[in-house]
Amino acid sequence: QSVLTQPPSASGTPGQRVTISCSGSRSNIGSNTVNWYQQLPGTAPKLLIYNDNQRPSGVPDRFSASKSDTSTSLAISGLQSEDEATYYCATWDDSLNGPVFGGGTKLTVL
Amino acid sequence: QVLLVESGGGLVKPGGSLRLSCAASGFSFGDSYMSWFRQAPGEGLEWISYIGGTSSHTNYADSVRGRFTISRDIAKSSLYLQMNSLRAEDTAVYYCTKDPPLQGPPDFWGQGTLVTVSS
Repeated sequence: QSVLTQPPSASGTPGQRVTISCSGSRSNIGSNTVNWYQQLPGTAPKLLIYNDNQRPSGVPDRFSASKSDTSTSLAISGLQSEDEATYYCATWDDSLNGPVFGGGTKLTVL
Repeated sequence: QVLLVESGGGLVKPGGSLRLSCAASGFSFGDSYMSWFRQAPGEGLEWISYIGGTSSHTNYADSVRGRFTISRDIAKSSLYLQMNSLRAEDTAVYYCTKDPPLQGPPDFWGQGTLVTVSS
């Protein structure tokens, strides 16, 4: 059972905007910055968002994130077929003294 | 650019041992926190262990504490994971990661190495 809670699945049609939620607690999201990762089938996770809402070089601005209190959400606008992947939120947990992850949300582009 | 290449995975019997290696390049290895994660087939990501830049600061997930040991050789820019008393539930792809200067989730991931524990 993951420390952070994500919906197991999400879906959208090409061009749509989809959001993926991630909830935690005061000791993790409420106290530390959040990363989001994209994992394409059969590949390693790739950093998509860091420090709550920053995109690494090369990540399209179709991807954005926001945070409020102990929750965060990832938004993908202009959905494309290549966005079909599993998305994970992650942060540090002060109580556990280690990184914690959500269970992952599998995004299907219909 | 940052490159992390894991090796050492394979098939091992329950109760056996395995040592994973991760060759790092493209960043200041000695100054960086590094971690090991794993992903069981069809499952999510699980943090296993991290080690600080000076190697004096380590921590482990409860699921592996006492069985796994993380270490690093700064001269070789290599990270290691010694895995003992392996169980079927340790079967997973193991990833080496580079972590941010202040503790936090990873910046970069290796491509992973598969460990299968089966008789």
